Amino acid sequence: DAGVTQSPTHLIKTRGQQVTLRCSPKSGHDTVSWYQQALGQGPQFIFQYYEEEERQRGNFPDRFSGHQFPNYSSELNVNALLLGDSALYLCASSPNPFKETQYFGPGTRLLVL
Amino acid sequence: QKEVEQNSGPLSVPEGAIASLNCTYSDRGSQSFFWYRQYSGKSPELIMFIYSNGDKEDGRFTAQLNKASQYVSLLIRDSQSSDSATYLCAVTLPPYGGSQGNLIFGKGTKLSVKP
Repeated sequence: DAGVTQSPTHLIKTRGQQVTLRCSPKSGHDTVSWYQQALGQGPQFIFQYYEEEERQRGNFPDRFSGHQFPNYSSELNVNALLLGDSALYLCASSPNPFKETQYFGPGTRLLVL
Repeated sequence: QKEVEQNSGPLSVPEGAIASLNCTYSDRGSQSFFWYRQYSGKSPELIMFIYSNGDKEDGRFTAQLNKASQYVSLLIRDSQSSDSATYLCAVTLPPYGGSQGNLIFGKGTKLSVKP
């Protein structure tokens, strides 16, 4: 039973560039949430996707956008990267949007120079 | 602002002792409560969840919830060196917008189990 997978594992970008991160949910899960975890902090909710729609969004600017595909996989896009976007980006999946128990993937570590 | 507060630690306990990790939350409407373990450089791993007041036990772990005091704790019995990690407390709010959505995390408590 495959767990949540994410790619790439690490990424280095420069300020102003754009980045796309990818996530495949756990088998049987159709809801994907994205979180940003800065060093020494707890994860912060970015947004959640279900049925290819953004269902909830945290306090993140429009530079952060996402997409969910018919196979439930998801992408997180960040435009106009800032130094402060350097963080661990976590994808979590759940069986449905009302199932609160979420399982995290290994994360993508993004460094913006 | 919905907040979850944890003592950042480090909390140091000897092997075999009981580690007690605490968490308070600000929103009285918080519905469900989770403990995640995060090893350095890794992603969070779910270890316990609790929905109702009282205690919930799973092996060496016991989660305790007191909604009146807005307090949730995690006890780890017979602490082992492999328990050394950061423990994240998370809560969810009632659903809105067609989903249960987001987990609200504390900053985590770093636990160190000494031999």
